Amino acid sequence: KQEVTQIPAALSVPEGENLVLNCSFTDSAIYNLQWFRQDPGKGLTSLLLIQSSQREQTSGRLNASLDKSSGRSTLYIAASQPGDSATYLCAVRRPGAQKLVFGQGTRLTINP
Amino acid sequence: GAVVSQHPSWVICKSGTSVKIECRSLDFQATTMFWYRQFPKQSLMLMATSNEGSKATYEQGVEKDKFLINHASLTLSTLTVTSAHPEDSSFYICSAQSTGGGYSPLHFGNGTRLTVT
Repeated sequence: KQEVTQIPAALSVPEGENLVLNCSFTDSAIYNLQWFRQDPGKGLTSLLLIQSSQREQTSGRLNASLDKSSGRSTLYIAASQPGDSATYLCAVRRPGAQKLVFGQGTRLTINP
Repeated sequence: GAVVSQHPSWVICKSGTSVKIECRSLDFQATTMFWYRQFPKQSLMLMATSNEGSKATYEQGVEKDKFLINHASLTLSTLTVTSAHPEDSSFYICSAQSTGGGYSPLHFGNGTRLTVT
């Protein structure tokens, strides 16, 4: 059974810092991995999708990497801003399956 | 980008009544939609997977007679919470998969906050 873990559960950093969020999964046989952002009381916004054959994806100040063999993904946020404050969730999909398995999320606070 | 609209965004109902939540893909066709439930400060729990034109597949422990799902078209899925009770109060979120299949990211609605009094 696939399990996804995100550490830390919460993170608070001053504005302007670069930071890394971690996601690990127990079964390396994944189809893809997706990073989401969730603001309080809202749905999820897709940030980056990495296929199993890819090593990383970039969008603006965000960079997500994938090391399938070690069961890890990281989300790198450069030059953090208060508007980046949110909960970040990673989720994996295994081959042949439609559903995603989510981690518990990392609650990020960027302090002005 | 792809947009998923969920309605209503919040609803308060009395115990014993039924509530319908709609999930629409506005600018793409969704062969598959997913319904999640989220408790405060917790991650998303998948309730069911709905495929257009067929019966939904429910996750273990989810009562299909209580949470009725209908996916009648490629742009609309509905979740009806029947005979709602206070323990059904939660945040319900839908997501949609475009016809591009697994290579396409999932897109989520903004969620529905259900409060049963």
